[in-house]
Amino acid sequence: DVKVTQSSRYLVKRTGEKVFLECVQDMDHENMFWYRQDPGLGLRLIYFSYDVKMKEKGDIPEGYSVSREKKERFSLILESASTNQTSMYLCASRLFTNSNQPQHFGDGTRLSIL
Amino acid sequence: SQQGEEDPQALSIQEGENATMNCSYKTSINNLQWYRQNSGRGLVHLILIRSNEREKHSGRLRVTLDTSKKSSSLLITASRAADTASYFCATAMDSNYQLIWGAGTKLIIKP
Repeated sequence: DVKVTQSSRYLVKRTGEKVFLECVQDMDHENMFWYRQDPGLGLRLIYFSYDVKMKEKGDIPEGYSVSREKKERFSLILESASTNQTSMYLCASRLFTNSNQPQHFGDGTRLSIL
Repeated sequence: SQQGEEDPQALSIQEGENATMNCSYKTSINNLQWYRQNSGRGLVHLILIRSNEREKHSGRLRVTLDTSKKSSSLLITASRAADTASYFCATAMDSNYQLIWGAGTKLIIKP
């Protein structure tokens, strides 16, 4: 069965800190995604990666960066955390670059920036 | 850029009743997908319907797509308490494009 694992379910950090959110998938999927979910706004794409070392900006990349050094791992980095980055962060993967393939999600990381 | 809009925003029904949720979108699509999210968890893919399909079934789920009205509906028949969740539609504008998500419908099934 498909498994996407996010390193933390809950995380509390302070403003100005550098924050790392980790995501690992065990399905040899090519594509990986980072979303942010806020009430009433649905999911907004931050970054996605077609393959190892490949990345594309999504709709809201400002204040974030990503790293994909290995196929199974996709990291989201908040360079200098701010309170408006308090949110639920969801990682997803997809077998390959075709929107007819479903996305598989992790359970999310609820991040609070104080 | 939010393309899909679900309606209603929230729905509360008795166990055993049918639940219908609607999704409207603005531009031509390649496919439309429905996902479920249980409270505090990630999303789970339910069903995908391509632009050249009009109806699709999966167990107790029935999805319809009307491309002329740019709308889709998700019907859950004989609802159960375990169906309590938020349901999201997501659209893809071409075969490679990322998904564009709606804000979701929160469904509560009362025992």
